[in-house]
Amino acid sequence: GAVVSQHPSWVICKSGTSVKIECRSLDFQATTMFWYRQFPKQSLMLMATSNEGSKATYEQGVEKDKFLINHASLTLSTLTVTSAHPEDSSFYICSARVDPLRTGVFLTYEQYFGPGTRLTVT
Amino acid sequence: AQSVTQLGSHVSVSEGALVLLRCNYSSSVPPYLFWYVQYPNQGLQLLLKYTSAATLVKGINGFEAEFKKSETSFHLTKPSAHMSDAAEYFCAVMGSNFGNEKLTFGTGTRLTIIP
Repeated sequence: GAVVSQHPSWVICKSGTSVKIECRSLDFQATTMFWYRQFPKQSLMLMATSNEGSKATYEQGVEKDKFLINHASLTLSTLTVTSAHPEDSSFYICSARVDPLRTGVFLTYEQYFGPGTRLTVT
Repeated sequence: AQSVTQLGSHVSVSEGALVLLRCNYSSSVPPYLFWYVQYPNQGLQLLLKYTSAATLVKGINGFEAEFKKSETSFHLTKPSAHMSDAAEYFCAVMGSNFGNEKLTFGTGTRLTIIP
């Protein structure tokens, strides 16, 4: 259980175009999803937190108009990189978390990570 | 606010030798602590977690970690390294109070296993 998928696993796009990355929780409902980016040989940096049905909360320094996040359902969140530029090339990883007020199989607060999406902007 | 510091960006050990990856944390509330492993071009896999129960935590693949409040540490160990342990390891901290559930990652430690 607790599987999170991302699509696509890798994408190459031209500068100025937009790219959408999907994050899905396959076997549980995720009220909260997180988006991270990771530059080569560096750690994960939280970009934003998205809650189902509400606006995402962005970390300081992350442009919300550039990185559009939509958490339309309890199993799907999307990250759209708008007008992508080469400096946006990175590894994007999402994670999903069950509502902490729910009990059951999954540990409260634990995040389950997707396999990541490598974005290359040429 | 919370943070973690991983001492040593690169660690090399011989196959069969002890693995010790260091992590110190800072947190204004009792923390939850995690160790993750990342293989190249892949997401993160949870190795183990501390959530205020037993201070010695056993995880997958023979790894374990001990929470030491007095030292604010959560070092990761494995008695005998295997070639398949070569990867990047991240320590992460989360506040245990509601509303403070963001994961903050350390800078990572790349573990190399010498045959």
